[in-house]
Amino acid sequence: DAEITQSPRHKITETGRQVTLACHQTWNHNNMFWYRQDLGHGLRLIHYSYGVHDTNKGEVSDGYSVSRSNTEDLPLTLESAASSQTSVYFCASSESLSDYNEQFFGPGTRLTVL
Amino acid sequence: GDSVTQMEGPVTLSEEAFLTINCTYTATGYPSLFWYVQYPGEGLQLLLKATKADDKGSNKGFEATYRKETTSFHLEKGSVQVSDSAVYFCALTLNFGNEKLTFGTGTRLTIIP
Repeated sequence: DAEITQSPRHKITETGRQVTLACHQTWNHNNMFWYRQDLGHGLRLIHYSYGVHDTNKGEVSDGYSVSRSNTEDLPLTLESAASSQTSVYFCASSESLSDYNEQFFGPGTRLTVL
Repeated sequence: GDSVTQMEGPVTLSEEAFLTINCTYTATGYPSLFWYVQYPGEGLQLLLKATKADDKGSNKGFEATYRKETTSFHLEKGSVQVSDSAVYFCALTLNFGNEKLTFGTGTRLTIIP
């Protein structure tokens, strides 16, 4: 069955370190998204991509970067982790731009920055 | 900017009670509206959607009607079960087709037997 996976599921790191969170989907979806979930804020969009080599900034992109070298993967990199980036991160994917299609979410990565 | 406001939780109900979770929105243009559900330890799943005024979305006994005049999309269920315990998110996308979602803050629902 097609799916979307995230790794690691839990990560503890130190302030200033570079961290990369992986997202892999097997639906062959064009669109991929990264969100962070924080109490009192719901989900906020970090970055998104509509296809290979396409990336766009979302609502809360400062301190994060993404790259899309193939259809299946959209890794999220925290260049220099900060305590404010402690959060739960969700990756999502969807089919196309021609009509609204359901976003499928991964199980999430819980990141703690000490 | 576009925004979604949900009733604050947590909400605790007894099994078989009637559920309403309020959601209102602010948007330029004509958004599509969604309810997503997040079960413990999992990612979000689409529960239901409505793409134009007066549409009613429904799934798993849940319903929500797109009310343009009151800019609302309240979630309702006539008889909740323990298995409905989850966090519920209201969301909108403004430009039908570009698929960026704006979420509310979420409402945690707990159903007690």
